[in-house]
Amino acid sequence: QVQLMQSGAEVIKPGASVKVSCRASGYTFTEYYIHWVRQAPGQGLEWMGWANPNTGSTNYAQKFQGRVTMTRDTSITTAYMDLSGLRSDDTAVYYCARDFPGPYGRGMDVWGQGTTVTVSS
Amino acid sequence: DIQMTQSPSSLSASVRDRVTITCRASQNIKKYLNWYQQKPGKAPRLLIYAASSLQSGVPSRFSGSGSGTDFTLTISSLQPEDFATYYCQQSYSDSITFGQGTRLEIE
Repeated sequence: QVQLMQSGAEVIKPGASVKVSCRASGYTFTEYYIHWVRQAPGQGLEWMGWANPNTGSTNYAQKFQGRVTMTRDTSITTAYMDLSGLRSDDTAVYYCARDFPGPYGRGMDVWGQGTTVTVSS
Repeated sequence: DIQMTQSPSSLSASVRDRVTITCRASQNIKKYLNWYQQKPGKAPRLLIYAASSLQSGVPSRFSGSGSGTDFTLTISSLQPEDFATYYCQQSYSDSITFGQGTRLEIE
C-alpha cells in the first residue's frame, strides 16, 4: 500500500540543523510532489513547502526561505527536509505528505507518521 | 498570504448531532479548498477536496460546500470516531495556508 515512512525523533541544540527523511513506497515516487508540514505542540498545521521529486524543483513558504532545503534521492525513493538555524520555537512534529493534485489545486492525501524535533540545549 | 479563518474554534456536540464548521478565506479562492481531520497523536487525513468532493474511503456523512470566500464542512450525524480537530486548507495561491483548526468535543 502507499506509505510514507519518516525518520526517528531528534533532539537538536539551538543554532544547529536537522535533516528529516521520508521514504515513499507503494507508488511511483517521481509522479507526486512531497509537501512538508509542521505542528508545534498544541498548535495547528503550518505548511513549509513542497518539492518535486521528478525535477528537484521546490517551493518554500516565505517564512522558511533561507533556512529550509528540500531535496530527494530518487534511487531510494526518499525525500528530505533540512532546517537550519534551529530555535526553540522550531520544536514541533514535522510531517511529510504526498501531493494530491485535485481539480482545484493541491491537497495532501497520504501522510507520514511524523517526526518529533525538539530544540533544546 | 491568504488567511483562512475557521469558526468556531471549538465545538461541543453529541453523537447523532448534525454539525457545521465554517472556513472563511481572506480573498476569493474559488473552490481551491480542502478539509482534513486530525486525531490526537495522528497525522491529518484528507476528507474533502475541491470544496465539495469526498475523498475515497471517507464516510458519506461528511460533506463540504462553498466557493469564493465562504466554505462549510458538515457532518450529518456525528459518530464517536468523529471527535477530532478539523482544518481547512487553501491552495489557490502558491503559498498554501491552513485554518487554525476547529476542535470538536463530546458534549
